[in-house]
Amino acid sequence: GQQVMQIPQYQHVQEGEDFTTYCNSSTTLSNIQWYKQRPGGHPVFLIQLVKSGEVKKQKRLTFQFGEAKKNSSLHITATQTTDVGTYFCPSNTGNQFYFGTGTSLTVIP
Amino acid sequence: GAGVSQSPSNKVTEKGKDVELRCDPISGHTALYWYRQSLGQGLEFLIYFQGNSAPDKSGLPSDRFSAERTGGSVSTLTIQRTQQEDSAVYLCASSSIGLATDTQYFGPGTRLTVL
Repeated sequence: GQQVMQIPQYQHVQEGEDFTTYCNSSTTLSNIQWYKQRPGGHPVFLIQLVKSGEVKKQKRLTFQFGEAKKNSSLHITATQTTDVGTYFCPSNTGNQFYFGTGTSLTVIP
Repeated sequence: GAGVSQSPSNKVTEKGKDVELRCDPISGHTALYWYRQSLGQGLEFLIYFQGNSAPDKSGLPSDRFSAERTGGSVSTLTIQRTQQEDSAVYLCASSSIGLATDTQYFGPGTRLTVL
């Protein structure tokens, strides 16, 4: 099945710095979703990308889907303390989802 | 209800006891997932229900774990003879019809502590 590797596993940034997390697959993905889990909370859906080369923005967050549909990135501009949490790009095999460990973002005020 | 609900929110039990965790999915959602998240770890897939189809139990870690979904709605995850390594947050999610492109809506989770 599809396995998506996410890097980095941990990232500490100073408030105001930018942050990027990457998801890479060895196989072509039909789609990719991004979720965010705040500390002590549950994962919440952020966005879905379906088209090759697709770019979507949500305020300071920019999501990209690679041309080959094998990788994706989430970029946060000028991080804020509210961005703290773990970001996941789950892979799926059939209708099973594998969230893995995600990227844990710490923002230092 | 407006979202996925889970009960109890916290459960403390003694090693060897059985526990039942409940999940109420969003009304009308036919797909339901159970995950486990140990402290500082990612989400581990446990089981998947879709409509009246046989559930996908491939993620259950041992035969002490079982789950059922009655009437295509409420689901119960049962852990028999609990062990300390079962301590974790158990998350339930539902989606519309279980497609890979469907959004999963998560409940707040049940924090299980096995003493």
